[in-house]
Amino acid sequence: GAGVSQTPSNKVTEKGKYVELRCDPISGHTALYWYRQSLGQGPEFLIYFQGTGAADDSGLPNDRFFAVRPEGSVSTLKIQRTERGDSAVYLCASSLTRSSLTSTDTQYFGPGTRLTVL
Amino acid sequence: SQKIEQNSEALNIQEGKTATLTCNYTNYSPAYLQWYRQDPGRGPVFLLLIRENEKEKRKERLKVTFDTTLKQSLFHITASQPADSATYLCALNTGNQFYFGTGTSLTVIP
Repeated sequence: GAGVSQTPSNKVTEKGKYVELRCDPISGHTALYWYRQSLGQGPEFLIYFQGTGAADDSGLPNDRFFAVRPEGSVSTLKIQRTERGDSAVYLCASSLTRSSLTSTDTQYFGPGTRLTVL
Repeated sequence: SQKIEQNSEALNIQEGKTATLTCNYTNYSPAYLQWYRQDPGRGPVFLLLIRENEKEKRKERLKVTFDTTLKQSLFHITASQPADSATYLCALNTGNQFYFGTGTSLTVIP
């Protein structure tokens, strides 16, 4: 079946604007993750959803960042009052489940959305 | 929080040789550690997982070791091929979060 998809693939915006980044996980995957990756760095955890609820949002850098997953499938990462430092690739990943702290379900990543804040 | 270090920013090896990549971490050992491959412009792709009670895991030309005393994992690619050229990331979990290293860029020279 289809893998994780993310839209748009590229987003250029001006400082201070609002942006939404969308993630379509693999069908049936209950766990969904958002990461941010800057050039030359590894992915940095932002938030984890189990179903519709945010199980861990401790990676969100500040209150300008917010994510939702209202029906337990598609997720949207929302960034208010964007700053130049928000420029990065935003990656989404999903896994079948994350039922316990030692779950080993594989994460499947999307291609990412490259966000550029001018 | 965990700090993860991966060896050298770039590794160049000759085709057919074995590539060895290192992942070191601080603080407490995770329940398991994962290795991913990432090509330019793409998301990471899962390769192998090794649990804390496993010393070694193999998959085709790939081998991963996990030493919780040294707090280190080694990732080996035997009989390397130019198609193996990519960035390799190690990742470990603590609770709900996954921490990734900065990655090692591998180039296999024909």
